[in-house]
Amino acid sequence: EAQVTQNPRYLITVTGKKLTVTCSQNMNHEYMSWYRQDPGLGLRQIYYSMNVEVTDKGDVPEGYKVSRKEKRNFPLILESPSPNQTSLYFCASSTMTTHTGDQYFGPGTRLLVL
Amino acid sequence: DAKTTQPPSMDCAEGRAANLPCNHSTISGNEYVYWYRQIHSQGPQYIIHGLKNNETNEMASLIITEDRKSSTLILPHATLRDTAVYYCIVRVANFGNEKLTFGTGTRLTIIP
Repeated sequence: EAQVTQNPRYLITVTGKKLTVTCSQNMNHEYMSWYRQDPGLGLRQIYYSMNVEVTDKGDVPEGYKVSRKEKRNFPLILESPSPNQTSLYFCASSTMTTHTGDQYFGPGTRLLVL
Repeated sequence: DAKTTQPPSMDCAEGRAANLPCNHSTISGNEYVYWYRQIHSQGPQYIIHGLKNNETNEMASLIITEDRKSSTLILPHATLRDTAVYYCIVRVANFGNEKLTFGTGTRLTIIP
């Protein structure tokens, strides 16, 4: 089954404690992206990647890092989380070989930073 | 990307067709219309997209007006599982950043 998986699904942590949210897709997609969703602000893009070893900033990259060492994985790293990073996070992927329009989203990771 | 306007909420009776409108009066010639939906905090789900011709797939139909300034998403036989927020997005089809800019969408409630 074609899917994007994220782990963990729920996470409570404290300010300053480094954490990683993993994202993996099994569709051989070139493009992957991270969004955060906050009430009243919609989905905002954090980082994206158009292929292995190619990453770029989205609209709200401050406080986040990403890496793309393998095509299927695109982890989101919070080196020193702060309470304003409490949010619902989504990973997404799509092919770039043909523009079919469909972008696949993961189930989401709900993060609470105390 | 062009801006879209959608009604904030709509109700539809179960089994009926749900017609969700979207205005995109500033759309340019190379911009596509996409529809996604989000069921209560789950990941957004792609529904359909089109450029100027009407489109249909197993989930829905997309009707785009001749001047392309508005469109309608049609769910032919709405079920309770179609209750969700529906987003109309207009963007250029390219092979760069595939960023999706979600507005506030339409909250569709299917009434039993």
